[in-house]
Amino acid sequence: KAGVTQTPRYLIKTRGQQVTLSCSPISGHRSVSWYQQTPGQGLQFLFEYFSETQRNKGNFPGRFSGRQFSNSRSEMNVSTLELGDSALYLCASSLAAQTNEKLFFGSGTQLSVL
Amino acid sequence: GNSVTQMEGPVTLSEEAFLTINCTYTATGYPSLFWYVQYPGEGLQLLLKATKADDKGSNKGFEATYRKETTSFHLEKGSVQVSDSAVYFCALSVSSGGYNKLIFGAGTRLAVHP
Repeated sequence: KAGVTQTPRYLIKTRGQQVTLSCSPISGHRSVSWYQQTPGQGLQFLFEYFSETQRNKGNFPGRFSGRQFSNSRSEMNVSTLELGDSALYLCASSLAAQTNEKLFFGSGTQLSVL
Repeated sequence: GNSVTQMEGPVTLSEEAFLTINCTYTATGYPSLFWYVQYPGEGLQLLLKATKADDKGSNKGFEATYRKETTSFHLEKGSVQVSDSAVYFCALSVSSGGYNKLIFGAGTRLAVHP
């Protein structure tokens, strides 16, 4: 069974640009969560989607948005990029809406904002 | 609020040494507790979990016991190997708006030398 796939693996953007990251969950998984990982802040929860609906949202500004498609694939968009948005963005999938069952993580997209 | 505090790294050990990584938490209610591991260049993987007080999670020689009285979930291994070098994240699962979400600690980097 294929794991969680995130594309692209690396991305370099400049301030003010926007970016879209993609995540394909494990086949059959309907929940997709997004996390931002930085050396200073650790892992911060962005949002979770289940059956194309946002179920949970972390404390990030409106520049961060996401969506989920009918095939459970998810995209995350960041508009008007700032230097502080440089981070590893991780996507995780699970069978149901994020529960006490395990999350399966992708390898992440490393975003650098110059 | 809900939070997880881990000991700061890096933790540097020689092969076959005993490992302890401290984790304490603050949470309302009765959370489930997890340890995730991140190997270089990869996403996070669930290492072990415990869902109620006094439960012991174990996997690959690692153990952690859910201590409600001290709000702790310390990770231990009796004899580490070079292949255990990774970043370890303690996490708890809390209910938010009727759904659960994971809150992670900052992570502790472990480096094991031959």
